[in-house]
Amino acid sequence: DAGVTQSPTHLIKTRGQQVTLRCSPKSGHDTVSWYQQALGQGPQFIFQYYEEEERQRGNFPDRFSGHQFPNYSSELNVNALLLGDSALYLCASSLAYSGGYEQYFGPGTRLTVT
Amino acid sequence: RKEVEQDPGPFNVPEGATVAFNCTYSNSASQSFFWYRQDCRKEPKLLMSVYSSGNEDGRFTAQLNRASQYISLLIRDSKLSDSATYLCVVNPPWGSYIPTFGRGTSLIVHP
Repeated sequence: DAGVTQSPTHLIKTRGQQVTLRCSPKSGHDTVSWYQQALGQGPQFIFQYYEEEERQRGNFPDRFSGHQFPNYSSELNVNALLLGDSALYLCASSLAYSGGYEQYFGPGTRLTVT
Repeated sequence: RKEVEQDPGPFNVPEGATVAFNCTYSNSASQSFFWYRQDCRKEPKLLMSVYSSGNEDGRFTAQLNRASQYISLLIRDSKLSDSATYLCVVNPPWGSYIPTFGRGTSLIVHP
């Protein structure tokens, strides 16, 4: 049973650049959520995708955007990178039928902005 | 008041000890609650759900107290491998899908 996968595992970017992170959900899951986790903090909800649409969005600027594909995989795009965007980006998948609250996380992408 | 609050610790306990963590939440309409475990520089892993009736899984027991708006996690007979950060998650009323994570409580179990 394949778990949640994310790519790349690490990324170094320069301020002002753009980045795309990818996520494949756990087999059988149809909902993908993205989180940002700064050092020493809990994950902060960015947004959730279901049926290829953004279902809910947290308190993040429009520089953060996403997409979900028909196979349920998802991308997170961040434009005009700031130093403060350096963090661990986590993708979590869940099953909408069960309420979508029991989430399984991928290993994350560690983004460093210099 | 923060939406979800946890004592960051660290809780430093010897092997075999019993340790308990609390997590308070501010939205009384919150619907579901979970505990996750996160090892250093790894992803959070689902530990257990939290129900009003309590939930036990081996050495771990989770409780929900709606009247006082907190959830708890009890670990009995601590093992070295229990050393990790424990995150509580509070989910909003039905219709909203924005879960709120606490910042986590660090547990260190020593020999």
